[in-house]
Amino acid sequence: EVQLVETGGDLIQPGGSVRLSCAASGFTVSSSYMSWVRQAPGKGLEWVSVIYIDGKTYYADSVKGRFTISRDNSKNTLYLQMNSLRAADTAVYYCARGWAPFDYWGQGTLVTVSS
Amino acid sequence: QSALTQPRSVSGSPGQSVTISCTGTSSDVGAYNFVSWYQQHPGKAPKLMIFDVNKRPSGVPNRFSGSKSGNTASLTISGLQAEDEADYYCCAYAGRYVVFGGGTKLTVL
Repeated sequence: EVQLVETGGDLIQPGGSVRLSCAASGFTVSSSYMSWVRQAPGKGLEWVSVIYIDGKTYYADSVKGRFTISRDNSKNTLYLQMNSLRAADTAVYYCARGWAPFDYWGQGTLVTVSS
Repeated sequence: QSALTQPRSVSGSPGQSVTISCTGTSSDVGAYNFVSWYQQHPGKAPKLMIFDVNKRPSGVPNRFSGSKSGNTASLTISGLQAEDEADYYCCAYAGRYVVFGGGTKLTVL
């Protein structure tokens, strides 16, 4: 059974950093496109980043230069390093398998950026 | 990377059909047959309902169908049931990025 479990969400001060993790089971992260999608409170879904099977990475303009997606094949885990955080980054962050479509989603982890 | 346009809300009675539209541009919806639709119940993660414009993942009822014409994609739900009440999001591949619609709240009257 495919499972994705995100951890790492927290209350962060503006300008701060946090790293989200997404532990996968039931499939191999390195053999899949893997993405991060976020949802601000009461708002819609927003694609954040993707890592291709070959390791190429792409980002939404809103996070480019501040966020970094990566994976640890030995741990079968996806990461999102988030730096220079802003209030507008406050959201539930979902990891998802795939790249349009996203066929499996985790339950999400909440990142709140506030002083 | 502008959001796709969806109606804010639609409604229908049990047993009826509803269609949710999703309008993009020639760079996203119109450029590729990689349109997908997601259902999200309150407090839950999104669930894939349609991919590649009109394909259904295993386990999704055939009451859900998708189509596309030009820069507009559509999701049709026939034989509405109470459990279909949720938010629905379209999503389109656009090369090196993906864009979502703003979401449509479906109310089953």
